[in-house]
Amino acid sequence: EDKVVQSPLSLVVHEGDTVTLNCSYEVTNFRSLLWYKQEKKAPTFLFMLTSSGIEKKSGRLSSILDKKELSSILNITATQTGDSAIYLCAVEWGAQKLVFGQGTRLTINP
Amino acid sequence: GAGVSQTPSNKVTEKGKYVELRCDPISGHTALYWYRQSLGQGPEFLIYFQGTGAADDSGLPNDRFFAVRPEGSVSTLKIQRTERGDSAVYLCASSLGSGTGELFFGEGSRLTVL
Repeated sequence: EDKVVQSPLSLVVHEGDTVTLNCSYEVTNFRSLLWYKQEKKAPTFLFMLTSSGIEKKSGRLSSILDKKELSSILNITATQTGDSAIYLCAVEWGAQKLVFGQGTRLTINP
Repeated sequence: GAGVSQTPSNKVTEKGKYVELRCDPISGHTALYWYRQSLGQGPEFLIYFQGTGAADDSGLPNDRFFAVRPEGSVSTLKIQRTERGDSAVYLCASSLGSGTGELFFGEGSRLTVL
């Protein structure tokens, strides 16, 4: 069965800390891996990764895919309270279907 | 519209009733998806439309669930004989359909079945 597993499920850090969120997957017909941020209701797109070893970066956020290890990490440096959210990892397989992980609930305390 | 619009934002109904949830995708997006998100879980795929046709409905849990997109734009998710286990947030998303994988989500419809 296709599945995506994220860890940790919950993380609480202080403002300014750096965090690393993990995502591993077992999916047939892998096409891409995506990261989304969900603050209240609508997940918003962060990154899409298709090639192994190529880091994608946006401000303080960065992500990389390891196809050999079937995993990805999302790094956030110099965290701010506005980074508090649920971070969702999803893998696209087959015809544009996404399988989501459970999410990591990140809380940044001032 | 500027983003994916979903109505109602909240729906409370009684067990056994029929409900409809509506999704208005981003203009020009040919692909439309329905996902269901239960508390503490990631979104779970239900159905995917490319244009007017359901390209993949393998995620619909049973025959009480049905979705349509008659003109290739607005979609309606229909749930018959609702059960308490149907309570969840129903998320709609759209994309250009070019296979990029980037989906744009709506705010969701929170369904509560009493």
